[in-house]
Amino acid sequence: GQNIDQPTEMTATEGAIVQINCTYQTSGFNGLFWYQQHAGEAPTFLSYNVLDGLEEKGRFSSFLSRSKGYSYLLLKELQMKDSASYLCAVTDSNYQLIWGAGTKLIIKP
Amino acid sequence: GAVVSQHPSRVICKSGTSVKIECRSLDFQATTMFWYRQFPKQSLMLMATSNEGSKATYEQGVEKDKFLINHASLTLSTLTVTSAHPEDSSFYICSARDGYGVVTLHFGNGTRLTVT
Repeated sequence: GQNIDQPTEMTATEGAIVQINCTYQTSGFNGLFWYQQHAGEAPTFLSYNVLDGLEEKGRFSSFLSRSKGYSYLLLKELQMKDSASYLCAVTDSNYQLIWGAGTKLIIKP
Repeated sequence: GAVVSQHPSRVICKSGTSVKIECRSLDFQATTMFWYRQFPKQSLMLMATSNEGSKATYEQGVEKDKFLINHASLTLSTLTVTSAHPEDSSFYICSARDGYGVVTLHFGNGTRLTVT
């Protein structure tokens, strides 16, 4: 079956760095997405990786290793507003999105 | 950037009534729209995939007679929750696909449905 694993919850300190991991097992691969979702709101797009390596976008970076079925989202200089759930999603061979359960990130002062 | 408008944002209805939720792509043509349901502290659950001009494809376990989806044009899809019950209370989110191949989704702001 298709499966995406990410930690349920993480806690970090304001100003610090946090890495949220995502591993996947899907039928085919056509890209991996990271979304941010604040409570009660729709997800917002953060990043898209289809090739191996690191994509940097401001305070957020996303890494992909296709051979390992692994990705991580790196958040630097954490701010209180970064408290949210972070969803990992993989596009399979049929271009269907398979969603992870999300990682709730709690930022403490 | 691409925008998806979802309406209403909140709705409270009585048990047994029907509720319609609209999802519009405002500046692009969306050949495919997706409807999700999300319960508190859980991930998005895909309910159905809606293709313009054809019948929606429902995920396993989703009652197509209860959740009616109409995708009448390239910019509008509607989800009607028929004969709503309290267990249908949830956060419903639509998304529209922009382009082919690379799946880039644009989400509506969601609809909080409360059935009393």
